[in-house]
Amino acid sequence: AQSVSQHNHHVILSEAASLELGCNYSYGGTVNLFWYVQYPGQHLQLLLKYFSGDPLVKGIKGFEAEFIKSKFSFNLRKPSVQWSDTAEYFCAVNARATDSWGKLQFGAGTQVVVTP
Amino acid sequence: DADVTQTPRNRITKTGKRIMLECSQTKGHDRMYWYRQDPGLGLQLIYYSFDVKDINKGEISDGYSVSRQAQAKFSLSLESAIPNQTALYFCATSDTRAGGSTDTQYFGPGTRLTVL
Repeated sequence: AQSVSQHNHHVILSEAASLELGCNYSYGGTVNLFWYVQYPGQHLQLLLKYFSGDPLVKGIKGFEAEFIKSKFSFNLRKPSVQWSDTAEYFCAVNARATDSWGKLQFGAGTQVVVTP
Repeated sequence: DADVTQTPRNRITKTGKRIMLECSQTKGHDRMYWYRQDPGLGLQLIYYSFDVKDINKGEISDGYSVSRQAQAKFSLSLESAIPNQTALYFCATSDTRAGGSTDTQYFGPGTRLTVL
C-alpha cells in the first residue's frame, strides 16, 4: 500500500521568509501528485498538481513544487511567504495502479504559521 | 468550491443516534468521495463511488455506510454514532470521463460532527 510522509508537522516563519515543505511517498509505479491547502475554517483547495512532463510545476499564489522521481519526493516551495499563507498544507498521491486509480492518499499535513 | 455543498455544516449529536450527512454537486462529476479529517492524521478515505449505485470501501469504513442514488448526491450515514467519530467530514468529487481533468478532487466545505 502506498503511503505519504510530510516531514514537518508544524512550521513557523516570518513574512518574506522562504518556505519549503517536504513530501515523500512510497510507491514504485507511476503517480499523480498534488498539494492542497486548507486555510483556517475553510475546505481544501488545490494548490498545484503533477501528472507528467516538466517536473517543476507552478501553482496558484506563487507556489511551486518539484517532482524528483529518484527520491520519491514532491516538495512544495514558495520564495517569499505572506501572512495570508498561514494554513495547513497537504500532500496527496494517487498511484496509477488499477485498484488505486482515483483514490488519493494524503499526508498528515503541515501547519504553517506566518508571523508578521 | 461552491459547486460541492454539504449539509449540515455543523452537527452535535449523542452516542447511539443515527446521523446522515449529505453531499451534493453541480459539477457533473462521476466520482464522489467521503473523507474524515482528524488533527495530525490528514484525511482518511471512508467510502467512494465511481458512479451511481457503485460503492467502494475506503481505509476506515467501519461504522459508516453510504448511498449514491443519483449522480449528484452522495450521503454518508453513521448508524449508531460514537464519540470517536467526532471529526470534520469532507465530501469530494472528481471527473474521470474522457476530456475531464483526471484525478483532481474538488472538496466541499466540510461538516463538523461532534458526538457526545
